Amino acid sequence: EAQVTQNPRYLITVTGKKLTVTCSQNMNHEYMSWYRQDPGLGLRQIYYSMNVEVTDKGDVPEGYKVSRKEKRNFPLILESPSPNQTSLYFCASRFLRDSYEQYFGPGTRLTVT
Amino acid sequence: AQRVTQPEKLLSVFKGAPVELKCNYSYSGSPELFWYVQYSRQRLQLLLRHISRESIKGFTADLNKGETSFHLKKPFAQEEDSAMYYCAPANNDMRFGAGTRLTVKP
Repeated sequence: EAQVTQNPRYLITVTGKKLTVTCSQNMNHEYMSWYRQDPGLGLRQIYYSMNVEVTDKGDVPEGYKVSRKEKRNFPLILESPSPNQTSLYFCASRFLRDSYEQYFGPGTRLTVT
Repeated sequence: AQRVTQPEKLLSVFKGAPVELKCNYSYSGSPELFWYVQYSRQRLQLLLRHISRESIKGFTADLNKGETSFHLKKPFAQEEDSAMYYCAPANNDMRFGAGTRLTVKP
């Protein structure tokens, strides 16, 4: 089944404790991206990647890192999480030269205390 | 950067009433635009794209270049239409609008 998966789905952590949220897609998509969703603010892009080893900042990259060493994986890294990074995170992927339709993962709910 | 604006964060209508969710874009050229929908506790999914000119679940959206708009419309809203709706440009950085939460009351 073609899909985007994220792990973990739920995470509660403490300020300053490094964490990684994984994202994987099995559709051979070149493009992958991370968003955070907050009430009243909608969906804001954190980082995106147009292919392996190519990443770019979105609207809210501060406090986040990403890497794209393999085409199928695009992990989101929080080196020192803070409470303002408590949010619902979505990973998405799509083909570059297609209709731009993005396929979304199920979301990861992160709480930083 | 190509941007879209959704001016209404919340929209509430009664079942059977017409509904229009607004989306405006602020760039020139030939825009390609999407509407995505997120039902409660589900992931975002594509609702429709303007190039296909299709109707999905009774929703349509027409690109109006004069008004730079891509409003989503449905003549008779249903309770199951209650969801979060996002407008998005079809470009490389895919910056979504802020979203509109639609509530259809019985």
